[in-house]
Amino acid sequence: DSGVTQTPKHLITATGQRVTLRCSPRSGDLSVYWYQQSLDQGLQFLIQYYNGEERAKGNILERFSAQQFPDLHSELNLSSLELGDSALYFCASSFGWASGGSDTQYFGPGTRLTVL
Amino acid sequence: QQQVKQSPQSLIVQKGGISIINCAYENTAFDYFPWYQQFPGKGPALLIAIRPDVSEKKEGRFTISFNKSAKQFSLHIMDSQPGDSATYFCAASSPQYSGAGSYQLTFGKGTKLSVIP
Repeated sequence: DSGVTQTPKHLITATGQRVTLRCSPRSGDLSVYWYQQSLDQGLQFLIQYYNGEERAKGNILERFSAQQFPDLHSELNLSSLELGDSALYFCASSFGWASGGSDTQYFGPGTRLTVL
Repeated sequence: QQQVKQSPQSLIVQKGGISIINCAYENTAFDYFPWYQQFPGKGPALLIAIRPDVSEKKEGRFTISFNKSAKQFSLHIMDSQPGDSATYFCAASSPQYSGAGSYQLTFGKGTKLSVIP
């Protein structure tokens, strides 16, 4: 168990809908990363928050947004869903500051999103 | 553009054999190279990681070999066991210092390892 929790575990919805995925980081971690895992694209970085502020953006669609709250949990909002958004969404957390350029990321169990 | 290329896509090894997974990268700014192990239905878990100032790192049966000039690194699993059957991902990150760091990971596409008894 990594200490990172994600809810819900599974989500089934229809095209055009909006969903919210939730992530609670490990105790003491300030950074939250979101990744999307699909069969054809592998694991893709979406966005990172550090202590409530957006820190880095990757291949995140404009229909997607995220935020990190004062208690450090994070939510990923996916709107106007398309069939191609079906994937596993992982949250990872880390302390957020490292000397020497490495900062271990611990992954949650993921949310499997199915868009019908 | 895929910045980390991983091969093979799948690998079948007999119990007790050596599993070797290779990765190559393009971005010379990468300076941290972790390997993650993922079991079905679980999130990726850090297995072992290396910085480019060393050529090899060993932890138990797992070894990373790193060739900075060739921009390649590989994972060797010695004495492979059926319990090692999982998908393995290489990754790379480069620090983007702007106050607190951002260490977003760029992943390879994964190698599905099956260790047969």
